[in-house]
Amino acid sequence: DAGITQSPRHKVTETGTPVTLRCHQTENHRYMYWYRQDPGHGLRLIHYSYGVKDTDKGEVSDGYSVSRSKTEDFLLTLESATSSQTSVYFCAISDPGGYGYTFGSGTRLTVV
Amino acid sequence: GESVGLHLPTLSVQEGDNSIINCAYSNSASDYFIWYKQESGKGPQFIIDIRSNMDKRQGQRVTVLLNKTVKHLSLQIAATQPGDSAVYFCAEINTGGFKTIFGAGTRLFVKA
Repeated sequence: DAGITQSPRHKVTETGTPVTLRCHQTENHRYMYWYRQDPGHGLRLIHYSYGVKDTDKGEVSDGYSVSRSKTEDFLLTLESATSSQTSVYFCAISDPGGYGYTFGSGTRLTVV
Repeated sequence: GESVGLHLPTLSVQEGDNSIINCAYSNSASDYFIWYKQESGKGPQFIIDIRSNMDKRQGQRVTVLLNKTVKHLSLQIAATQPGDSAVYFCAEINTGGFKTIFGAGTRLFVKA
């Protein structure tokens, strides 16, 4: 999607290993989000950021941490990956007062 | 591409027919609603939105209807095309509480 890229697109990792997913935007939007998408569920918010170094937890934040050292980058880290974290992860951006998100193309993470 | 849902409700329509996709939302305080389209292997894309002070809004080939009495939202797609095949889901937003809830979605198949 234009203006927002996620990396990697696919990753397979072993249980107990750390994993970092990256989201990069070129839109200079203040708000960035990490969601996970699982079969039978709607998108669920993991963490979000409302500015550089300003982050907060979402509804499914256990086992995840985030960092935002620059406006354009928002990193999601699984400190010790578990099989329950196998999912498709989406990053999204929005501007203040805008509730419509622009989503990245997603990262499919498989924890074996 | 990424699987967005193995157990989603499915709607199958003939090319050229009209499609109606429904969504029941949960929070009476939600005051803004968005429909997203998600194609296989891609992130969700904004289609159309509606505020709670409206009951109908039209876009290009799409119409969203909102019934606040029964907390129901629908997306109508006119003259459905093969390119409309995707998963569609609604999002309900409580703008005052800065909270967004995504539905699990409906998979639309368009038969040529």
